[in-house]
Amino acid sequence: EVQLVESGGGLVQPGGSLRVSCETSGFRFSSYWMHWVRLVPGKGLEWVSRVDFDGTSATYADSVKGRFIISRDNAKNTLFLQMKSLRVEDTAVYYCARAIGGISPLDSWGQGTLVTVSS
Amino acid sequence: DVQMTQSPSSLSASVGDRVTISCRASQDISGYLNWYQQTPGKAPKLLIYATSNLHNGVPSRFSGSVSETTYTLTISTLQLEDLGTYYCQQSDTTPWTFGHGTKVEI
Repeated sequence: EVQLVESGGGLVQPGGSLRVSCETSGFRFSSYWMHWVRLVPGKGLEWVSRVDFDGTSATYADSVKGRFIISRDNAKNTLFLQMKSLRVEDTAVYYCARAIGGISPLDSWGQGTLVTVSS
Repeated sequence: DVQMTQSPSSLSASVGDRVTISCRASQDISGYLNWYQQTPGKAPKLLIYATSNLHNGVPSRFSGSVSETTYTLTISTLQLEDLGTYYCQQSDTTPWTFGHGTKVEI
């Protein structure tokens, strides 16, 4: 069974940092591109970032570029999102999701981890 | 960035109704348009990919189509379990972009 389990969310002050993780199982992690998507309260889904199979290519939304870093550990089947200089508008539920290719849809998602940026 | 204009933002329908949701891209996305359903408190689920392909396990009452630059999700016979918010999303060009969502109430 395909499983993606996010962790690491929590309350952080504006300007702070946080790292969220996504542990996966049930599929060949190293064969999939991995993504982060967030659900912003009252707004909807926003794509955040993606990384290719071996972590050599990463792409970001303009809203997080220069502040967030996506990475992966294929030996541990785990995806990460390092977030710094957090803003109130980064408050969201963060989901990890997989895609078989660069233009493929997100066919499995985790349950999400809530990140709240507030003073 | 590719803008995805989704409509309506919400709708109320009855069980058994035919429901359509539209999504228009601001530029050509070569058919790389996907539809997701999100029910309250749950993760999004893929319904349709590449305009009209049904994802594994998705009921056949869901279908996708395109006419010129407008992509459409159709639920042929609405069921109670179909309540939730539906999003279109383009995967042709990064940054990937989602529509603002359509909340379906029964």
